[in-house]
Amino acid sequence: AQKITQTQPGMFVQEKEAVTLDCTYDTSDQSYGLFWYKQPSSGEMIFLIYQGSYDEQNATEGRYSLNFQKARKSANLVISASQLGDSAMYFCAMREGRGSGNTPLVFGKGTRLSVIA
Amino acid sequence: GAGVSQSPRYKVAKRGQDVALRCDPISGHVSLFWYQQALGQGPEFLTYFQNEAQLDKSGLPSDRFFAERPEGSVSTLKIQRTQQEDSAVYLCASSPLRTRDSNQPQHFGDGTRLSIL
Repeated sequence: AQKITQTQPGMFVQEKEAVTLDCTYDTSDQSYGLFWYKQPSSGEMIFLIYQGSYDEQNATEGRYSLNFQKARKSANLVISASQLGDSAMYFCAMREGRGSGNTPLVFGKGTRLSVIA
Repeated sequence: GAGVSQSPRYKVAKRGQDVALRCDPISGHVSLFWYQQALGQGPEFLTYFQNEAQLDKSGLPSDRFFAERPEGSVSTLKIQRTQQEDSAVYLCASSPLRTRDSNQPQHFGDGTRLSIL
């Protein structure tokens, strides 16, 4: 079974509009972390935002916010005021707790976001 | 620079040749990860080092893949007798001191795009 599911292979959004990228996850751990990364066409993976399983507040970082619904096991990324430079692949990833912060990340298949002028 | 550095950026090899991919992590980062990213997919874990110790190599797809980090800094991923299915982007990531928290993001390099002819 997929641990991270991103159901939207591609999304389009008008410049200056908000967009939501979906992510659902599957784990039996109580302690885990959820990450979103951006991968432009140049290939580097850029860390955007983190949400811990025990965090009561939704994470926010500038124009990025995470809509965390623990009971539904979803961690959707919301990008507000989209910019042309936001066009990229977006990956949702999970690290399961296991008592250590340095376990590998498990990634979804990604969503390609295209921002239209 | 201050980021994770990978070389070469691109590598083309004939099937059957051996290749070596280098990763220079962020200075002082204890943890180092290698991931393989096939075209159109998310990264998949290969192996993990804590300092010079290879603590997890469960993701290495075959015994043709070998990784080392002898002095706890630079790491090399070696692929022997390359096959066409080895064509992918190989990403290296590092993170700082081991922590019991799961919120430590991994910092990725730009990757090495390997093409096997």
